[in-house]
Amino acid sequence: AQKITQTQPGMFVQEKEAVTLDCTYDTSDQSYGLFWYKQPSSGEMIFLIYQGSYDEQNATEGRYSLNFQKARKSANLVISASQLGDSAMYFCAMREGSSTLGRLYFGRGTQLTVWP
Amino acid sequence: GAVVSQHPSWVICKSGTSVKIECRSLDFQATTMFWYRQFPKQSLMLMATSNEGSKATYEQGVEKDKFLINHASLTLSTLTVTSAHPEDSSFYICSATPREQYFGPGTRLTVT
Repeated sequence: AQKITQTQPGMFVQEKEAVTLDCTYDTSDQSYGLFWYKQPSSGEMIFLIYQGSYDEQNATEGRYSLNFQKARKSANLVISASQLGDSAMYFCAMREGSSTLGRLYFGRGTQLTVWP
Repeated sequence: GAVVSQHPSWVICKSGTSVKIECRSLDFQATTMFWYRQFPKQSLMLMATSNEGSKATYEQGVEKDKFLINHASLTLSTLTVTSAHPEDSSFYICSATPREQYFGPGTRLTVT
């Protein structure tokens, strides 16, 4: 079974609007971490936001927020006030276990296009 | 600023030759480094886990004799693609613990 599922191959949003990118995960571990990355055409993986499984509050970083619904095993990324520069591929990832030595499992990604 | 660097950022090599890619942790010691591969329009897949001073652990389906990994110091791991073939053309990217949420800028390999 896929550990990370991103069901939206592509999303379109108008500039200044908010957009939600979906991510569901599958793990039997009680301790895990969830990550979102932005990958522009240059290829670099830009770390956006992190949510720990024991964090009670949803993570926020500037215009990015993570809508963490533990019971539903979902970790959706919300981008507020979209900008043209937000156009990129977005990946959701998970690290299982509490150790920082864990590898990351990635979803297939969502290509976000922001139009003026 | 960047926490992990990679060199080179891109490389073109002829089929049958070997190419070495470096991954360096900046300003911190990395006991473990992860090597990922990404084919065009696909996700990142872990190739191997590199531990300083010991043999790397390879994911199922990754040929350890083809992708040689050497983690010689706490700040440097190298990936050598031996006898490269066109199907090895890919984007190779690394991360390093304890800051494994940060990735290097990646190396784009093209084998002609």
